[in-house]
Amino acid sequence: SYVLTQPPSVSVAPGQTARITCGGNNIGSKSVHWYQQKPGQAPVLVVYDDSDRPSGIPERFSGSNSGNTATLTISRVEAGDEADYYCQVWDNSSDHFVFGSGTKVTVL
Amino acid sequence: EVQLVESGGGLVRPGGSLRLSCAASAFTFSSYAMNWIRQAPGKGLEWVSSISSSSSYIYYGDSVKGRFTISRDNATNSLYLQMNSLRVEDTALYYCARGSTEAAGRGNWFDPWGQGTLVTVSS
Repeated sequence: SYVLTQPPSVSVAPGQTARITCGGNNIGSKSVHWYQQKPGQAPVLVVYDDSDRPSGIPERFSGSNSGNTATLTISRVEAGDEADYYCQVWDNSSDHFVFGSGTKVTVL
Repeated sequence: EVQLVESGGGLVRPGGSLRLSCAASAFTFSSYAMNWIRQAPGKGLEWVSSISSSSSYIYYGDSVKGRFTISRDNATNSLYLQMNSLRVEDTALYYCARGSTEAAGRGNWFDPWGQGTLVTVSS
């Protein structure tokens, strides 16, 4: 089955840039979607189709996808960005949706 | 505002059954695939099942295939998950989420999500 690998945690100072990676075999050939989940809340879509933002999501959130790594970038990080972030793809070979294990972003 | 409200969770013994419901409002329910995703306490997200807009295509995760059944009623804007032969490891918060297309698989992302309903399997 297809596996998505994320770092367990990323720490970043306010105002700096956080980069969260999502690794998978030839993930660049798939569409990657990203979710933000704050404690006690349901996940929220922050990036879809590798790099598109839903309405209401700040421009500070951006995404890229190439080769074996997709990346969610949060620019000018704010305290309110502290959350768990998950990547997600559809795996054609198994007809399954797959989530990454999640990355906890801590704002120092 | 698009809204998804789950219900039906609770405490059940191993081997028991439970039926979850998701009530959808403020969008054309019959035009979207729908999904169940769960999250065990303190753990990450796990996809459970998806159903296309017309119920023609249905997919299940390996851990629930053969035990869970997804269904929908477009007349009442409702999504269901029938869970049989429940195991301790099925304990989780179960979220209902709208897909982004009519189809249930490729090309879909999940938006929005409901607040979830808690299923606890314990003796």
